[in-house]
Amino acid sequence: LAKTTQPISMDSYEGQEVNITCSHNNIATNDYITWYQQFPSQGPRFIIQGYKTKVTNEVASLFIPADRKSSTLSLPRVSLSDTAVYYCLVRAGSARQLTFGSGTQLTVLP
Amino acid sequence: DAGVTQSPTHLIKTRGQQVTLRCSPKSGHDTVSWYQQALGQGPQFIFQYYEEEERQRGNFPDRFSGHQFPNYSSELNVNALLLGDSALYLCASSQVLAGGGIEQFFGPGTRLTVL
Repeated sequence: LAKTTQPISMDSYEGQEVNITCSHNNIATNDYITWYQQFPSQGPRFIIQGYKTKVTNEVASLFIPADRKSSTLSLPRVSLSDTAVYYCLVRAGSARQLTFGSGTQLTVLP
Repeated sequence: DAGVTQSPTHLIKTRGQQVTLRCSPKSGHDTVSWYQQALGQGPQFIFQYYEEEERQRGNFPDRFSGHQFPNYSSELNVNALLLGDSALYLCASSQVLAGGGIEQFFGPGTRLTVL
C-alpha cells in the first residue's frame, strides 16, 4: 500500500476555497485515491475517489496530475461545519484494506 | 437504506473481560472490515471478512477475532481486555465498483472504555 503525506493542519475562513494536497510518490498503476472526512467520535465519511485527471461531485473536487504522485482535494466555499480531519488514502483497485495516516486537521474560522 | 450500523454505541468493560461488537453492512455490500481508532490517531486496520472468512489481517494479536454471517453482518470479539484496548471501533462495509474503484462506507463506531 502506498504511503501518503499530507499537512498536519490547515486554517481557513468561511466562504473560502480550501485545497488540501496529498503526496503519494509510490502510487501503483492500479491504485485509486480516496478522501474521507471525520468528525470527532464519528466514523470517517467518504468524500470522493478518483484515478486520474479530475473528479467532481456535489461536495468536492479531486485533482490528480498526469504522474499521479500527488492529488488535491478542493472544497469550495467552506463553512464552519467543514472543520474536521481529512484523510487521503491510496490502495490497489481490488484491495479493500485502507491504511490511514494522521490526516489533516482543517479548522474553518468565522 | 440505513447505511452501516453498529451496536452498541458505547460500552464499558473491566480488564480481563471479553467484549463482542456488532456490525450490519450497507445494503449490497459483501465485505466488512474492522478498525481501531485511538484518541487523536487515524483508524488502524484490524481485519477484513469476505464470504464468511477472514481475508486480511492487520497487526493485532489473536485476542482480536471476528466472524461474518451469511447475511454479511459481522462481529468483532476481543478477549482478555487491556486498558490499551480503549478506543473507537469502526466497521466499514464495501463492494467493488464496475469501474474498478471500491465503494466503502463506515459506521458510526462503538466507543469501548476499559477500566
